[in-house]
Amino acid sequence: DAGVIQSPRHEVTEMGQEVTLRCKPISGHNSLFWYRQTMMRGLELLIYFNNNVPIDDSGMPEDRFSAKMPNASFSTLKIQPSEPRDSAVYFCASSLRGGVQPQHFGDGTRLSIL
Amino acid sequence: DQQVKQNSPSLSVQEGRISILNCDYTNSMFDYFLWYKKYPAEGPTFLISISSIKDKNEDGRFTVFLNKSAKHLSLHIVPSQPGDSAVYFCAAWGYSGAGSYQLTFGKGTKLSVIP
Repeated sequence: DAGVIQSPRHEVTEMGQEVTLRCKPISGHNSLFWYRQTMMRGLELLIYFNNNVPIDDSGMPEDRFSAKMPNASFSTLKIQPSEPRDSAVYFCASSLRGGVQPQHFGDGTRLSIL
Repeated sequence: DQQVKQNSPSLSVQEGRISILNCDYTNSMFDYFLWYKKYPAEGPTFLISISSIKDKNEDGRFTVFLNKSAKHLSLHIVPSQPGDSAVYFCAAWGYSGAGSYQLTFGKGTKLSVIP
């Protein structure tokens, strides 16, 4: 079974550039989550969707960050313009029906902003 | 303010012995707890969970204990194996205070099992 697929695995770009991270959840999963992992703050929830609808985006750091889920099999997290402090590992996860269902994580995108 | 705390950043255990990973939480609204395991360059994978109505859940070599009065849970691995070497995250599910229910993670404990 295919798990959660994230692309790219690594991204290195210069400050000010637009960055787009992509995620394909597990087929049949109704909830999708975007997390950011840093040394200082650990794993933080940025935003999550139920049935393609954003439910809670209170974790999105600022307006430079945006996320979309145009259909059940694809989501993007965009940073525009990017800054060095955005450097982190970004994980996408999906789960069946949300709630206490265990979330299945992708292998993450390691983002470096120079 | 961290609502889920894993106070030991790292732990080393001899192969065959017991590994005990600890987790404390502050939010009494949390009602479901999970442990995830993470290898380098991979995403976290679900390991075991426990509902707040229970105090123990066991799955093979892995047992999670919950002490609600102390707001403390622990993960026991017996016997520990070198393949268990990974970062372990404690996570709690409940009302976040930001308008929704969500999973809140601790910062993780790196377990090293020495052959």
